[in-house]
Amino acid sequence: SQQGEEDPQALSIQEGENATMNCSYKTSINNLQWYRQNSGRGLVHLILIRSNEREKHSGRLRVTLDTSKKSSSLLITASRAADTASYFCATAPTGTASKLTFGTGTRLQVTL
Amino acid sequence: NAGVTQTPKFQVLKTGQSMTLQCAQDMNHNSMYWYRQDPGMGLRLIYYSASEGTTDKGEVPNGYNVSRLNKREFSLRLESAAPSQTSVYFCASSRLAGAHGELFFGEGSRLTVL
Repeated sequence: SQQGEEDPQALSIQEGENATMNCSYKTSINNLQWYRQNSGRGLVHLILIRSNEREKHSGRLRVTLDTSKKSSSLLITASRAADTASYFCATAPTGTASKLTFGTGTRLQVTL
Repeated sequence: NAGVTQTPKFQVLKTGQSMTLQCAQDMNHNSMYWYRQDPGMGLRLIYYSASEGTTDKGEVPNGYNVSRLNKREFSLRLESAAPSQTSVYFCASSRLAGAHGELFFGEGSRLTVL
């Protein structure tokens, strides 16, 4: 079963707009991570946020974590066509030594 | 730096055939993982190796075996391939033991079982 579930499943925006993706999970976690996957490629790590953190930034990316609601969001500001990809959240549940569990992903399309 | 290298990139098998997917990392990472990715299912963990000499089952281990040959290499073997094993397989590694750090992924091995 999936620990994390992304919403929406697909998102289409125009270049320059902001894109927001959400992730909900079921159990308590050590950390939550976001990954990007370009079509036909491997996953690339974007950002890791620990359970005691509420917000983290990396360039045009902003990630928030609300452990009380068991949810996280990824905001990409000023989107570019090159941001077109699938985005996955992955959670490290407490008590599971090495099992990072991935959601089903959000497919983002950024058009010119 | 090569990072995580998987071979082969593509493979077509007939039902019942066996094959081994190879994975090597050059980052001196302790932990290595095998995931499969199916449409609409996200990534599911097959097996992982927290450190050299140890392996453990993930979410979907049935039909697979693994070998942590040394710190660099982690192979995945299908003894008798089935159509349900048609998937894209990803190897990953991480410096930190456990799910405490970022994963570095290979480019994937696309397997079709007829």
